[in-house]
Amino acid sequence: EAGVVQSPRYKIIEKKQPVAFWCNPISGHNTLYWYRQNLGQGPELLIRYENEEAVDDSQLPKDRFSAERLKGVDSTLKIQPAELGDSAVYLCASSHNGELFFGEGSRLTVL
Amino acid sequence: AQSVSQHNHHVILSEAASLELGCNYSYGGTVNLFWYVQYPGQHLQLLLKYFSGDPLVKGIKGFEAEFIKSKFSFNLRKPSVQWSDTAEYFCAVKSSGTYKYIFGTGTRLKVLA
Repeated sequence: EAGVVQSPRYKIIEKKQPVAFWCNPISGHNTLYWYRQNLGQGPELLIRYENEEAVDDSQLPKDRFSAERLKGVDSTLKIQPAELGDSAVYLCASSHNGELFFGEGSRLTVL
Repeated sequence: AQSVSQHNHHVILSEAASLELGCNYSYGGTVNLFWYVQYPGQHLQLLLKYFSGDPLVKGIKGFEAEFIKSKFSFNLRKPSVQWSDTAEYFCAVKSSGTYKYIFGTGTRLKVLA
């Protein structure tokens, strides 16, 4: 069974530039999460989807962050414009029976 | 608000030493508890979980954890660590019946060969 796939693995951009991350969850997993993990911290939820509906986006900084999951499968997380403080690892996860399955993450460096 | 505390940020052990990593949470209701591990260069993966029943939970690779409700704790243990256990360990809590997982800040374990 393929795991959660994320791309790109690494991204370096200058501040004020846009960036997008893509996630393909495990087949059949309806719940998809985007987390942000800062250095030395645990993952923190940005947004959760049930199929194509964003059911919890309370922690998503909506002035610059957006996400979509149009067909209830793949998802994209976008930051525009990026700020220095957005440097982090962006993790995608899907869940089944209460267990989270994580992708390898997308490490963003904003210069 | 819920929170998870992992008091040991860095732990260094020699092979064959015993391991105990602390995890305390703050939440008064029914919880589901998890330990995730991240080996160098790999993704976060589940080590073990507690939903209900026997509070002593056994996971993969010889790890176990004990849920002590009165202490709001879910400490991770392994009797004899190996060099391959070098990784970062995260404790996580979820209110039962919800999808909101709260993670601790992680403990970096280094096992010396």
